[in-house]
Amino acid sequence: QKEVEQDPGPLSVPEGAIVSLNCTYSNSAFQYFMWYRQYSRKGPELLMYTYSSGNKEDGRFTAQVDKSSKYISLFIRDSQPSDSATYLCVLSEYGNKLVFGAGTILRVKS
Amino acid sequence: EADIYQTPRYLVIGTGKKITLECSQTMGHDKMYWYQQDPGMELHLIHYSYGVNSTEKGDLSSESTVSRIRTEHFPLTLESARPSHTSQYLCASSIGLGGEAFFGQGTRLTVV
Repeated sequence: QKEVEQDPGPLSVPEGAIVSLNCTYSNSAFQYFMWYRQYSRKGPELLMYTYSSGNKEDGRFTAQVDKSSKYISLFIRDSQPSDSATYLCVLSEYGNKLVFGAGTILRVKS
Repeated sequence: EADIYQTPRYLVIGTGKKITLECSQTMGHDKMYWYQQDPGMELHLIHYSYGVNSTEKGDLSSESTVSRIRTEHFPLTLESARPSHTSQYLCASSIGLGGEAFFGQGTRLTVV
């Protein structure tokens, strides 16, 4: 079983929809939770970073962490075609390497 | 915007050639990483460093080698390139313990 599970999609939504992307994990020692966006043939770009349970909002993006359920989410409001990309959840323990989810492909249709 | 740079962005090279992929960051980060990613596939960690003169192999076995003589510089070398090395190579850096990582734009390597 992988440490981090992420549905690879693809997830296809109409423009303006609310998108929900999710990851589950098995290692309760994970303390740091990140979401990256990766466009085709580009390096991953950090979107959200948090180290506690609860919600963190940045513009149209909201990251949610539920440590008790070992479940993290990224919500995108008013999705745009420019949001079409692969979204990666990335977790780490204190002092340790990053652990990547497989990435979810998102397609926002205009 | 992250200050981490990779050169070259694209490289096409013949079998048997020695190549070095450059990665530099100006953020003073102590941790640096190299990942390999095939199109549409997951990232795989091939090397990492926790500081100067520290290098470790990652989860995916690689014939490449790395060095960390300066904090800001983490080059990756292939002594004899083969077509099986064709892939995208991504460099990243992070600060402290558990800090968020910043990625370069990647080097797309094609060995013919």
